Amino acid sequence: KNEVEQSPQNLTAQEGEFITINCSYSVGISALHWLQQHPGGGIVSLFMLSSGKKKHGRLIATINIQEKHSSLHITASHPRDSAVYICAVGGSQGNLIFGKGTKLSVKP
Amino acid sequence: DAGVIQSPRHEVTEMGQEVTLRCKPISGHDYLFWYRQTMMRGLELLIYFNNNVPIDDSGMPEDRFSAKMPNASFSTLKIQPSEPRDSAVYFCASSELFPDNEQFFGPGTRLTVL
Repeated sequence: KNEVEQSPQNLTAQEGEFITINCSYSVGISALHWLQQHPGGGIVSLFMLSSGKKKHGRLIATINIQEKHSSLHITASHPRDSAVYICAVGGSQGNLIFGKGTKLSVKP
Repeated sequence: DAGVIQSPRHEVTEMGQEVTLRCKPISGHDYLFWYRQTMMRGLELLIYFNNNVPIDDSGMPEDRFSAKMPNASFSTLKIQPSEPRDSAVYFCASSELFPDNEQFFGPGTRLTVL
């Protein structure tokens, strides 16, 4: 079993829809990261959180430490949101453990 | 700041050749990370440095891989000899504080070993 599981693996949505991507982990963590990888390959850090909720524009990330679960929400989705979204957890040794990613495609 | 800089962006080499990937982190960042991304395994941490000192190299696949950080503004990842299974995208990232801060990724080096 992978230490970081993301769901769904692939997601297709219509423009304007509300989107949720889930991440569950089985290891102790100090922080959880959400990353976005563009179709061109570049990786951008969206959020780093260790508790509660963070919001940036149309993106919201939440984490429940007790349940070892995090969600990334996108409100009013747009085709430019099409990308791979990767969850990563910071382990106790300082390393990052990555999920396999969720490929999102938003259709106009 | 220009962000994390990696070179080359693309590298094609033949099996058995030495490959050197380069990274310049963001000025002032204490931590530097090397990652590898493949279709099969996704993103994996290879090694990371704190203040130029290697902290965790448990992700380095085998002795053919080595990484150095001679100063705060430069790091190399070397593969010698290279093999076709080393073909991947190699990312360098840096951060001010880890694990308590976000990481900034370079554009990656796409390595193809024939």
